[in-house]
Amino acid sequence: QQKVQQSPESLIVPEGAMTSLNCTFSDSASQYFAWYRQHSGKAPKALMSIFSNGEKEEGRFTIHLNKASLHFSLHIRDSQPSDSALYLCAVSTGTGGLSGKLTFGEGTQVTVIS
Amino acid sequence: NAGVIQTPRHKVTGKGQEATLWCEPISGHSAVFWYRQTIVQGLEFLTYFRNQAPIDDSGMPKERFSAQMPNQSHSTLKIQSTQPQDSAVYLCASSPGQGSQNTLYFGAGTRLSVL
Repeated sequence: QQKVQQSPESLIVPEGAMTSLNCTFSDSASQYFAWYRQHSGKAPKALMSIFSNGEKEEGRFTIHLNKASLHFSLHIRDSQPSDSALYLCAVSTGTGGLSGKLTFGEGTQVTVIS
Repeated sequence: NAGVIQTPRHKVTGKGQEATLWCEPISGHSAVFWYRQTIVQGLEFLTYFRNQAPIDDSGMPKERFSAQMPNQSHSTLKIQSTQPQDSAVYLCASSPGQGSQNTLYFGAGTRLSVL
């Protein structure tokens, strides 16, 4: 059964600094890796995703994926107070492949202070 | 596009009562997922449908939980004989479900409180 774990559990970051979040997974056959962001009282919303090893950048956000290490990360450059939220990593699981269910980590609570 | 619509937003039931939660997915999306979220367990998968057919219900507590998708415009999650440990936010999500389009679009959720 796929196990997805995130670290750290919570993080306080000064405005303008880099935020770095980590996610490990257990199923080496996983094909799809994503980060979601959930502001307090709101629904989770997809941030960005990656399929193959390496790095992907979109604006202030960068994903790194290393399948051999069963690890991927999210980095947020120039963190803003509006980035304060619960960040959830997600990994595709099971026989559904790219169209199958996502298993989520327990989340990292990020607080960006001015 | 109104996004995924879930009703009701809040539901309070007494222990042992039944609760039915409704979800209207985004039009044209072929996959519908149900998750529940608690502080302790995080976001847990319950079940999902593709093209209205049940695909995977491995996360469903078998005795009291059931889900249906009678047509492409709505899905229901029914909990019989609700227990206090069922209290959670139940989230429905839909996905285009084809090829690489694995992004889940979540509804605002139904907060279930079992007294």
